Amino acid sequence: KQEVTQIPAALSVPEGENLVLNCSFTDSAIYNLQWFRQDPGKGLTSLLLIQSSQREQTSGRLNASLDKSSGRSTLYIAASQPGDSATYLCAVRGGDYKLSFGAGTTVTVRA
Amino acid sequence: GAGVSQSPRYKVAKRGQDVALRCDPISGHVSLFWYQQALGQGPEFLTYFQNEAQLDKSGLPSDRFFAERPEGSVSTLKIQRTQQEDSAVYLCASSYQSGGGTEAFFGQGTRLTVV
Repeated sequence: KQEVTQIPAALSVPEGENLVLNCSFTDSAIYNLQWFRQDPGKGLTSLLLIQSSQREQTSGRLNASLDKSSGRSTLYIAASQPGDSATYLCAVRGGDYKLSFGAGTTVTVRA
Repeated sequence: GAGVSQSPRYKVAKRGQDVALRCDPISGHVSLFWYQQALGQGPEFLTYFQNEAQLDKSGLPSDRFFAERPEGSVSTLKIQRTQQEDSAVYLCASSYQSGGGTEAFFGQGTRLTVV
């Protein structure tokens, strides 16, 4: 069974600092990896999708890398803002098409 | 529609009551998933549809849980004789294709509280 781990569980930084969120997974046979944002009481918003053949994806201040062989992905958020405060979830899609999620990293950006 | 729509957003049920949760996927999306998210946890897979066919229901916790997608678009997740441990957020997601490489889009979820 695919196991997804996110470290740290929580992170608090001052505004302007860069954020580094880590995700690891146990089974490297994946189709893709997706990073999501979840605000309190809300659903999931897709941030970035990295296909298994890709090494990274970028969208604005967000950059995600994927090292499939070692089972790791990192989400970088540059120049953090208070509006970036949320829970960030990593999910991998395996051969059975299910998404397996980590428990998330809760980010607080202090103004 | 513009996104995945779920209703109701909130549901309070008395223990033993039956509930039905609705999901309207993005128009034309072939794949539809249901997930359950407990407080402070990541979502856990419940079931998967490709068009109207339910291809995987391995994540349904018990036979009190039932899902359908009769016409390959709207889906309903039904929970019979609700228990307190069923309290969670139920998320629906859809993807354009059935292939594994496609992006999943999630709805806002239904928060179920069983009292």
